[in-house]
Amino acid sequence: EAGVAQSPRYKIIEKRQSVAFWCNPISGHATLYWYQQILGQGPKLLIQFQNNGVVDDSQLPKDRFSAERLKGVDSTLKIQPAKLEDSAVYLCASSLDIASSEAFFGQGTRLTVV
Amino acid sequence: AQSVTQPDIHITVSEGASLELRCNYSYGATPYLFWYVQSPGQGLQLLLKYFSGDTLVQGIKGFEAEFKRSQSSFNLRKPSVHWSDAAEYFCAVGGANAGKSTFGDGTTLTVKP
Repeated sequence: EAGVAQSPRYKIIEKRQSVAFWCNPISGHATLYWYQQILGQGPKLLIQFQNNGVVDDSQLPKDRFSAERLKGVDSTLKIQPAKLEDSAVYLCASSLDIASSEAFFGQGTRLTVV
Repeated sequence: AQSVTQPDIHITVSEGASLELRCNYSYGATPYLFWYVQSPGQGLQLLLKYFSGDTLVQGIKGFEAEFKRSQSSFNLRKPSVHWSDAAEYFCAVGGANAGKSTFGDGTTLTVKP
């Protein structure tokens, strides 16, 4: 069974530029999460989708971050404009459903903002 | 509000020695508790989880963890560490939605030959 796929693996951009990350969850998984992991810290949830609807985006900085999952499968996370403090690893995870006892994580995208 | 504290930022053990990683949590209801491992450049892999029942849970790679409600702790243990166990370990707490957990800041494990 294929895992959660993320691309790109690495991205370096200048501040004030925009960037987008892509995630393809495990086939059949209805719930998708985006996490931000700053160096030296644990992952922090940004947004949760159930199929193509947002369940929780309370921790998403909506002035610069946006995310979508239009067809209920793949998802993209965008930052526009990026700030230095956005440098982090962005992890995507998926689970079978909203009450699943296990979530599966992708390898992440490491973003460096210079 | 829920939170997780992992008091040890970095632990070094010799190969073959025993290991215990500490985790303390704060959660308003019955907690669902998780331990994940993250190797460099990799995503998080679930080692074990606790929902209810036996307070000593077994996981993959020879790890186990014990839930102690009175101490709000969920410490991870392994009787004999292998060099391949060197990684970062995260404890997490949440409800039934495993993907919506609150993570600690992790403990980095170094294994000496």
